[in-house]
Amino acid sequence: GENVEQHPSTLSVQEGDSAVIKCTYSDSASNYFPWYKQELGKRPQLIIDIRSNVGEKKDQRIAVTLNKTAKHFSLHITETQPEDSAVYFCAAHETGFQKLVFGTGTRLLVSP
Amino acid sequence: GAVVSQHPSWVICKSGTSVKIECRSLDFQATTMFWYRQFPKQSLMLMATSNEGSKATYEQGVEKDKFLINHASLTLSTLTVTSAHPEDSSFYICSALGQLNNYGYTFGSGTRLTVV
Repeated sequence: GENVEQHPSTLSVQEGDSAVIKCTYSDSASNYFPWYKQELGKRPQLIIDIRSNVGEKKDQRIAVTLNKTAKHFSLHITETQPEDSAVYFCAAHETGFQKLVFGTGTRLLVSP
Repeated sequence: GAVVSQHPSWVICKSGTSVKIECRSLDFQATTMFWYRQFPKQSLMLMATSNEGSKATYEQGVEKDKFLINHASLTLSTLTVTSAHPEDSSFYICSALGQLNNYGYTFGSGTRLTVV
């Protein structure tokens, strides 16, 4: 089955800096890669996603890149703000089993 | 947009009792429902996948007789934790896929279960 690894587990940046979170996946058949932001005790919120036929997608300060050959994808947040502080999860949609497999999460702390 | 209502948001129960958690898709038909468990500071771990009208598929290591899942209609799925023990205390969250299956996973708000 699919296995998703995520790094780093924690990331501390100063306000205004950029943050990058990286994930790798194992199943080359996976074709959908969402990123979620989760605040304590709340549901994951989809912040951006990318499909396997696209290499990059951007939405204001957030961008995601996908390298299908290397089987890794990354989340890029520019001009970070304190309200970006949360836990971020990457995920991969395992086509064969029609399910979403999550990475281990990255705790992002943006200091003012 | 698609909304999944999950209840209760939190529950405290005594060891040995059962707890039922409900997830309802309010404005779409959820052909597939996923149930996750999340321990503190950990990731979401898929417990089982259910399709409307059929038996749930459980992930390895998840006891199907302990975590009963019912998906009797396209708008309602339930998870019952039977004979709960303190180690079952966790954050349980559902996620639904609509009929179009366009990878639009919609998450419920989660249920914090504490077993005392």
